Amino acid sequence: DAGVTQSPTHLIKTRGQQVTLRCSPKSGHDTVSWYQQALGQGPQFIFQYYEEEERQRGNFPDRFSGHQFPNYSSELNVNALLLGDSALYLCASSFGSAEAFFGQGTRLTVV
Amino acid sequence: AQKITQTQPGMFVQEKEAVTLDCTYDTSDQSYGLFWYKQPSSGEMIFLIYQGSYDEQNATEGRYSLNFQKARKSANLVISASQLGDSAMYFCAMREGYSGTASKLTFGTGTRLQVTL
Repeated sequence: DAGVTQSPTHLIKTRGQQVTLRCSPKSGHDTVSWYQQALGQGPQFIFQYYEEEERQRGNFPDRFSGHQFPNYSSELNVNALLLGDSALYLCASSFGSAEAFFGQGTRLTVV
Repeated sequence: AQKITQTQPGMFVQEKEAVTLDCTYDTSDQSYGLFWYKQPSSGEMIFLIYQGSYDEQNATEGRYSLNFQKARKSANLVISASQLGDSAMYFCAMREGYSGTASKLTFGTGTRLQVTL
C-alpha cells in the first residue's frame, strides 16, 4: 500500500517565478493538507482540501493556492516566489478524524 | 489560539536508556487531540502516538508512551529502551476540536534527539 507521495522531491526556482507541487494521498484518504516547514522550525499549516474544496486556511498570502482533484490528489501552487518561500513543503492525507500521514516533502529553494 | 511549546531544542540519551521529551500546550477547547511525530533527516513526518483530550488512560504504542497531564496541559513523550534509529527530530502537535473530519495540526518547534552508544 503506497503511502503519501509527493513530487518533485527537490526544486530550484528563481525569485518571481511560479511553482506547482503535487501530492497523491494514501489509499482510502480523502482529505489533503499542506504544510510549510522552514529550516529549524515546525511545520506551519497552509490549507486543507476536502471534497475538492478548500476547507481551512492558515495565515498564508493569496500567492499560495491549491486544488484537489476527483481522485483526491492535490496541487499546491505558489506565485511570485520570494526568497522566504524556500522551505520543505509537506503534504498530509487523512480520513475522518484519524491521524494524518505525511509524505517525504518537496524541498523548494528560491534563488 | 492554540499553541504548542517544546522547550528542549536538543536531547542526548544513551542506547537502551529511556528518555522524556517535553511538550506543553495551550487551548481553550475542551475537545482536542495531541500527537507526536518523528522526522528523520529524510524529511517524512512519521506518526508515533495519539492522545485524545477525553482519554482517561495514557496512550502507549510499543516503546512509545504519552504522559498526559491535562491539568498541567502537558503531553510528554517517553521513549523506552532507546535505539540508534531513534535519532531524529520529534514534534508535538495538537488538533483542536472534533467534527468527524480532520482539522489542521499545530506543531511545536521540535526536539532533536541524539542516541549515543
